[in-house]
Amino acid sequence: DGGITQSPKYLFRKEGQNVTLSCEQNLNHDAMYWYRQDPGQGLRLIYYSQIVNDFQKGDIAEGYSVSREKKESFPLTVTSAQKNPTAFYLCASNQGYTDTQYFGPGTRLTVL
Amino acid sequence: EDKVVQSPLSLVVHEGDTVTLNCSYEVTNFRSLLWYKQEKKAPTFLFMLTSSGIEKKSGRLSSILDKKELFSILNITATQTGDSAIYLCAVGLKTSYDKVIFGPGTSLSVIP
Repeated sequence: DGGITQSPKYLFRKEGQNVTLSCEQNLNHDAMYWYRQDPGQGLRLIYYSQIVNDFQKGDIAEGYSVSREKKESFPLTVTSAQKNPTAFYLCASNQGYTDTQYFGPGTRLTVL
Repeated sequence: EDKVVQSPLSLVVHEGDTVTLNCSYEVTNFRSLLWYKQEKKAPTFLFMLTSSGIEKKSGRLSSILDKKELFSILNITATQTGDSAIYLCAVGLKTSYDKVIFGPGTSLSVIP
């Protein structure tokens, strides 16, 4: 089955720790995205990547980092520099030059 | 600044009611308008609209775009409890990458 997987589903972190969220897709899509979703604010773009070994900052990149070493993988690291990391994180992909994105099931991160 | 606005932000209806969800936008370089349904996890794609006045329909759901007045509506007829979800409106832009801006979403609750 083609799709996007994210892990873990739930993640708890102590303040000051870095954590990495996994995103994998087997849709053979070139472009991948990370969004953050907070109640009442819709989805906000953190980082995106249009091609392997290249990625760009989105609207709220501060305190986050990514890598794109393989086409199917786009992990997101939430660093201790992110002041308010508790949120729902969604990964998405699409086949370039279309606006329809396909989403993973999300990771809910809680900072204790 | 590009923005997408949705109204109402939340709505409670009874099964069998018809609902209309609104989405308005102010963006430069409009390319498409998209509707997604989110039930606790991954948003799932409903419609993509690019032309004014052409209704898209899928079962009890339909949507139309007005590019002159810069808005779209999503109609759901004969609502069912399974329609309870957050409905996200998004606008795709003509930029150097496939940028999509999301609205805050409308939370719909359908009660028996």
